[in-house]
Amino acid sequence: GIQVEQSPPDLILQEGANSTLRCNFSDSVNNLQWFHQNPWGQLINLFYIPSGTKQNGRLSATTVATERYSLLYISSSQTTDSGVYFCAVEDNDMRFGAGTRLTVKP
Amino acid sequence: DVKVTQSSRYLVKRTGEKVFLECVQDMDHENMFWYRQDPGLGLRLIYFSYDVKMKEKGDIPEGYSVSREKKERFSLILESASTNQTSMYLCASSLWEAEQYFGPGTRLTVT
Repeated sequence: GIQVEQSPPDLILQEGANSTLRCNFSDSVNNLQWFHQNPWGQLINLFYIPSGTKQNGRLSATTVATERYSLLYISSSQTTDSGVYFCAVEDNDMRFGAGTRLTVKP
Repeated sequence: DVKVTQSSRYLVKRTGEKVFLECVQDMDHENMFWYRQDPGLGLRLIYFSYDVKMKEKGDIPEGYSVSREKKERFSLILESASTNQTSMYLCASSLWEAEQYFGPGTRLTVT
């Protein structure tokens, strides 16, 4: 099956800093999503982005399907951005990466 | 807003008990999914369903079954709970080839 690798596994930032999270996948996919899991365990859909670039406030994402990677950008990070960020790809079913644990310090 | 609800936030069951986890979505989504999340293993797909009375195995179906009698409801059943099924269980729903929306999760402990 498709392998999904996320990097870095852990990231610690000072409030206000910018960051880039990466998701590599091993084969062609039908779609790709980015999720944020908050400290209470709730998974929130951030982007549905099989290709191209999307922006939502301080967050943006770019997927280059031909090169099998996606990037999630977080600008001017806030403490509420803390949590785990997952990339998930769909081939015949959904496969999640191991996640990037982000800690934003005040 | 899409709403996906799960029957319990926390659940404690004994080994050998039959356990039902319920998931309900209110957006007429065709697809529904059950995952479990474990430290170091990430989210793994247990079962999914593309329509009423249809089900497909995911990566780790052993020890689980599912039921989808109505479009809005997808149940996960542990026929005989075991301690290695202690986990966070997450339900999701989606339209065809569209983003998934997750419920709040059920943290199941089997003692």
